Amino acid sequence: EVQLVESGGGLVQPGRSLRLSCAGSGFTFADNAISWVRQAPGEGLEWVGLIRSQTYGGTIQYAASVRRRFTISRDDSKSIAYLQMDSLKTEDTAVYYCNRNFGNYFDSWGQGTLVTVSS
Amino acid sequence: DIQMTQSPSSVSASVGDRVTITCRASQGFSTWLAWYQQKPGRAPKLLIYDASSLHSGVPSRFSGSGSGTDFTLTISSLQPEDFGTYYCQQSSSFPRTFGQGTKVEVK
Repeated sequence: EVQLVESGGGLVQPGRSLRLSCAGSGFTFADNAISWVRQAPGEGLEWVGLIRSQTYGGTIQYAASVRRRFTISRDDSKSIAYLQMDSLKTEDTAVYYCNRNFGNYFDSWGQGTLVTVSS
Repeated sequence: DIQMTQSPSSVSASVGDRVTITCRASQGFSTWLAWYQQKPGRAPKLLIYDASSLHSGVPSRFSGSGSGTDFTLTISSLQPEDFGTYYCQQSSSFPRTFGQGTKVEVK
């Protein structure tokens, strides 16, 4: 069974950093791109970024709202993807989901981890 | 960025009804479109990809159509478990963008 499990969320002050992890199992993690999508409380879905597999160069794309503040990486030996979030803002408060890319779409999602940015 | 606009924002229908949700893109892109269902407190689930392909395990009462700028998700016979919020999402270009969501209530 394909599973993705996020961890690392919590309460953080504005301007500080937080790193989220996304552990995959039940599939060949290294073969798949991984995306991050967030959802602010009571709001819709916002794509954050994507990291491709090494087959496709491991290249990364970001949403403009997080570029230069967030960094996506992956450790295929551990089947984990990371979202390093720096210079956090109150508007970054959201549930963060990682998901496996199925072609150009998101077919398996984690349960999400809540990040609250507040003083 | 490609803007995705869904309508209606909410719909209330009875079991057995046919429900249609539309999604309009600010620029055309063939069929690089997906539909997701999200229930409260849960992660979204992929229903349809490439505008009309049914994802594995998704009931056949769900169908998608469209290309270019106008897309449709149809639930042919609404079931009690179909409540939730439905989102369209384009995969034609970066950044990936979602519609604002359509909340479906089963009367």
